[in-house]
Amino acid sequence: QSVLTQPPSVSAAPGQKVTISCSGSSSSIGNNYVSWYQQVPGTAPKLLIYDNNKRPSGIPDRFSGSKSGTSATLGITGLQTGDEADYYCGTWDSSLLPGSYAFGTGTKVTVL
Amino acid sequence: QVQLVESGGGVVQPGRSLRLSCAASGFSFSYSAMHWVRQAPGKGLEWVAAVSQDGNDKYYADSVKGRFTMSRDNSKNSLYLQMNSLRGEDTAVYYCAKGRGGIAAAADYWGQGTLVTVSS
Repeated sequence: QSVLTQPPSVSAAPGQKVTISCSGSSSSIGNNYVSWYQQVPGTAPKLLIYDNNKRPSGIPDRFSGSKSGTSATLGITGLQTGDEADYYCGTWDSSLLPGSYAFGTGTKVTVL
Repeated sequence: QVQLVESGGGVVQPGRSLRLSCAASGFSFSYSAMHWVRQAPGKGLEWVAAVSQDGNDKYYADSVKGRFTMSRDNSKNSLYLQMNSLRGEDTAVYYCAKGRGGIAAAADYWGQGTLVTVSS
């Protein structure tokens, strides 16, 4: 099972805001950068946030990331129907050497 | 533009082997760590393995350690995953992904995936 825990689902109406939490530990989130990925069903994942709060070129500023201690949060404002997708957090985990990458359990975002 | 194209997937019997390849283009391949990530039908993302830029350091998920071997050929801009002793639970879409830099960095580009089905 994953070392990163996310809520299974979140939902909101168009134009509203949602937040997705990602809970880890000191050996994962606590000491490493967090990334966030968006996956529309049937397609490959896409990087949304890297290094806790940075957006790659082309990602709108409606998407934001933050980290505090052993948890991270993805925020999506101005929710659009195109934002319906699965979202995963990811980080390096050094609890067992030599280390490994870990993805969160995933959160399905539904636009009501 | 960055392109990652996986190949080699298919149907294979339990206990047999399969080799996946990933052809990379549009970036300096030797400057990026690379990953394999899989997704079983209806399930979430599972990291499988990673290799450092020079190919000397390799990391594996416990679920594949000792059965899968990841390698890269920087002269050919190619990534590989040798999968031995395959099991039903290895059935998944396998993605290759480019790291933004070192081994712990985010995966900023992904291939379209190749499906591996382990079944008798």
